Amino acid sequence: EPEVTQTPSHQVTQMGQEVILRCVPISNHLYFYWYRQILGQKVEFLVSFYNNEISEKSEIFDDQFSVERPDGSNFTLKIRSTKLEDSAMYFCASSVASREGSYTFGSGTRLTVV
Amino acid sequence: GQQVMQIPQYQHVQEGEDFTTYCNSSTTLSNIQWYKQRPGGHPVFLIQLVKSGEVKKQKRLTFQFGEAKKNSSLHITATQTTDVGTYFCAVNAGANNLFFGTGTRLTVIP
Repeated sequence: EPEVTQTPSHQVTQMGQEVILRCVPISNHLYFYWYRQILGQKVEFLVSFYNNEISEKSEIFDDQFSVERPDGSNFTLKIRSTKLEDSAMYFCASSVASREGSYTFGSGTRLTVV
Repeated sequence: GQQVMQIPQYQHVQEGEDFTTYCNSSTTLSNIQWYKQRPGGHPVFLIQLVKSGEVKKQKRLTFQFGEAKKNSSLHITATQTTDVGTYFCAVNAGANNLFFGTGTRLTVIP
């Protein structure tokens, strides 16, 4: 069964550093997403991406965050100048369609900011 | 903004007992999805409901969409230890934005 692949699985970074989280969505999916889950809490939407541009973003997705599809397969989330409160599990997801389609999530990257 | 509440927040059941989680929206929904997240895992799609009053079954899981399309439920019959995890409902909050409910964490005691 097709999978969404995320790397790395764990990332520890110092406060103030930049991190790039990487994702390879399912090849025939058109919509890509980043979600965040702080330990023990709900899954929070960050951003959706379609046709090489941001489609929607949440209040969490401020100027500290950016997304990119640098080539035909990768989808990245960059967090500039990380803060302690950025520590969370970051999930990438993709879907064929938007409103009526299910999302396939990757296994996530656990980001720890120290 | 979108408001989706799930109750209960936590549920502990003895293996073999039934379990139900409820999802309530402040607005009428076009559809609703359910996801399961095992401890330490990622959300996995279970099902999507679209029609008013729709009922769908997957083995011991029964999913229902309310007549007014503002609420939904997931019922598990005769829970097993493999059912452990957090169950989330999720709704479309925008054109390309799936909004997750608060989740119900199920613990099954063997």
